[in-house]
Amino acid sequence: SQTIHQWPATLVQPVGSPLSLECTVEGTSNPNLYWYRQAAGRGLQLLFYSVGIGQISSEVPQNLSASRPQDRQFILSSKKLLLSDSGFYLCAWSELAAPSTQYFGPGTRLTVL
Amino acid sequence: AQSVTQLGSHVSVSEGALVLLRCNYSSSVPPYLFWYVQYPNQGLQLLLKYTSAATLVKGINGFEAEFKKSETSFHLTKPSAHMSDAAEYFCAVTLSGSARQLTFGSGTQLTVLP
Repeated sequence: SQTIHQWPATLVQPVGSPLSLECTVEGTSNPNLYWYRQAAGRGLQLLFYSVGIGQISSEVPQNLSASRPQDRQFILSSKKLLLSDSGFYLCAWSELAAPSTQYFGPGTRLTVL
Repeated sequence: AQSVTQLGSHVSVSEGALVLLRCNYSSSVPPYLFWYVQYPNQGLQLLLKYTSAATLVKGINGFEAEFKKSETSFHLTKPSAHMSDAAEYFCAVTLSGSARQLTFGSGTQLTVLP
């Protein structure tokens, strides 16, 4: 069966520091991968999605970037964190072919102070 | 374009009472519809999905949802609420069947009162 991992689970970082969040998927090949953010009271915001290694689409302009160095690895990064980057970050995967379903990881709680 | 509206950002029910969470979609073609549940500080968990098969879909934890094309609705129900059902629930839609074009509703926070 497929599983999705995210780490770290929680992170407290000062403003201006770098960020690296990692997501890995097991038990499937060539998945679509997604990064979402949940800010307090603001629902789910799709940040990035990827259909393959090195292929990243950005949904909103922001202080963050994403990379996919391996088929089942998705990384969310920032060079300098802002207060507004605080939130709950969720990684998800889906099958390549439709109809498909998104399956979510456990999330990372990021607090920027 | 596709969209989904969840009526009621907060719903409270008593333990043992019927749970009804509303979801309406906007689509000119048959949609694929999903319900997810999110417990505090956890990821979203798939409850159930409609993919153009049976209109009454049964999911995990005793939840079910009925696709009603005439009402463009996909409401989530459970006959008897349990304290452990307290969570946030998200409805989502995609027209193409591809999860790449998944659109989420704003969520409904369910509180279960003892």
